[in-house]
Amino acid sequence: DAGVIQSPRHEVTEMGQEVTLRCKLISGHNSLFWYRQTMMRGLELLIYFNNNVPIDDSGMPEDRFSAKMPNASFSTLKIQPSEPRDSAVYFCASSLALGQGAGYGYTFGSGTRLTVV
Amino acid sequence: AQSVTQLGSHVSVSEGALVLLRCNYSSSVPPYLFWYVQYPNQGLQLLLKYTSAATLVKGINGFEAEFKKSETSFHLTKPSAHMSDAAEYFCAVGSNTDKLIFGTGTRLQVFP
Repeated sequence: DAGVIQSPRHEVTEMGQEVTLRCKLISGHNSLFWYRQTMMRGLELLIYFNNNVPIDDSGMPEDRFSAKMPNASFSTLKIQPSEPRDSAVYFCASSLALGQGAGYGYTFGSGTRLTVV
Repeated sequence: AQSVTQLGSHVSVSEGALVLLRCNYSSSVPPYLFWYVQYPNQGLQLLLKYTSAATLVKGINGFEAEFKKSETSFHLTKPSAHMSDAAEYFCAVGSNTDKLIFGTGTRLQVFP
């Protein structure tokens, strides 16, 4: 099992540009979570999906952020336009939810370090 | 609503000393509890989890945690610290939704 795969590992972009972060879930997992980690705010949940459906997007900072799950194994997080304050490490995590809540825990990807200059 | 509090954002120990990282939770329903470890420039890795079986849970790398309902605690311990244990540790609580609530993390430093 290759685990949760995120790409790119590092992204440096100029303010105003569109950024797309990608995440491939573990095969068989049906829940997907996007987190942002910064020194100031720690680990923040942005959005999560269950069976490709967005369940809670209350953590998405503003309309510049959008996330999709076009299929059961893949997700994107897009920032358009990007701003310097978006600089952070973005993680995705997947889980197997079988109506038992969070008992299985999450498997995290290695993250994408985004720098907006 | 659920929440988790990690006491101490930084903990320093000498190599070979006891490691104790504190976590207290709040939950109106029986919780699931987790400890994750994050090494520099890596994602979070599951150390151990409590899901209502044995209250003393053993994890990887010699870590263990004890669920104490009366104290609403789930502290992480290791009898003897190793230099390779230096990392950030996160406690998390979940229940009957899919969402885990993470603490703010505790950075463990190990001195020779």
